[in-house]
Amino acid sequence: EAGVTQFPSHSVIEKGQTVTLRCDPISGHDNLYWYRRVMGKEIKFLLHFVKESKQDESGMPNNRFLAERTGGTYSTLKVQPAELEDSGVYFCASSQDLTGIYNEQFFGPGTRLTVL
Amino acid sequence: QKEVEQDPGPLSVPEGAIVSLNCTYSNSAFQYFMWYRQYSRKGPELLMYTYSSGNKEDGRFTAQVDKSSKYISLFIRDSQPSDSATYLCAADNYGQNFVFGPGTRLSVLP
Repeated sequence: EAGVTQFPSHSVIEKGQTVTLRCDPISGHDNLYWYRRVMGKEIKFLLHFVKESKQDESGMPNNRFLAERTGGTYSTLKVQPAELEDSGVYFCASSQDLTGIYNEQFFGPGTRLTVL
Repeated sequence: QKEVEQDPGPLSVPEGAIVSLNCTYSNSAFQYFMWYRQYSRKGPELLMYTYSSGNKEDGRFTAQVDKSSKYISLFIRDSQPSDSATYLCAADNYGQNFVFGPGTRLSVLP
């Protein structure tokens, strides 16, 4: 079974440009999460989808970030316009939606974003 | 104060040593406590999770949670060079959106 995949693995853009990151969760996983780790800091939660709905977007840093999950399958995270402080590794994770038990989050390999 | 604190290391031990990794947290509402292992250029991989206080053992790994002192531990017995990675503790009160520590980089030397 394929794990969580993310594309691209690495993106280098200039300040002011737009970048779109993509995440394909494990098939059948209704929950999809975005996290990011900026240099020297801890991994921080950005938002959580349940199917196509945003369950929690409390971690989104500002309105330059837009996440979508049309159809409840893959998700995209767009940064527009990108700023220097957006550089970091963006992780996607997915989990099943099993009531009453712990739902393990499976992480993708991350997209390393560098804003110059 | 960060919600989850963790000594970033690096920590170097000889092969076969017992490794102790620790975190503290501040939010008393946290109920789920996780340990993730992350190899270079890879995503975090769940090692173990614990609900509330107590111990949990899985092979060479033992996780401990003491909610009274807000202390989380991971012990690795008979450490191997393949255990060399960054170890991340995480906590949450709903089992959904995690708060991570910064991670401890561990090197097990052959």
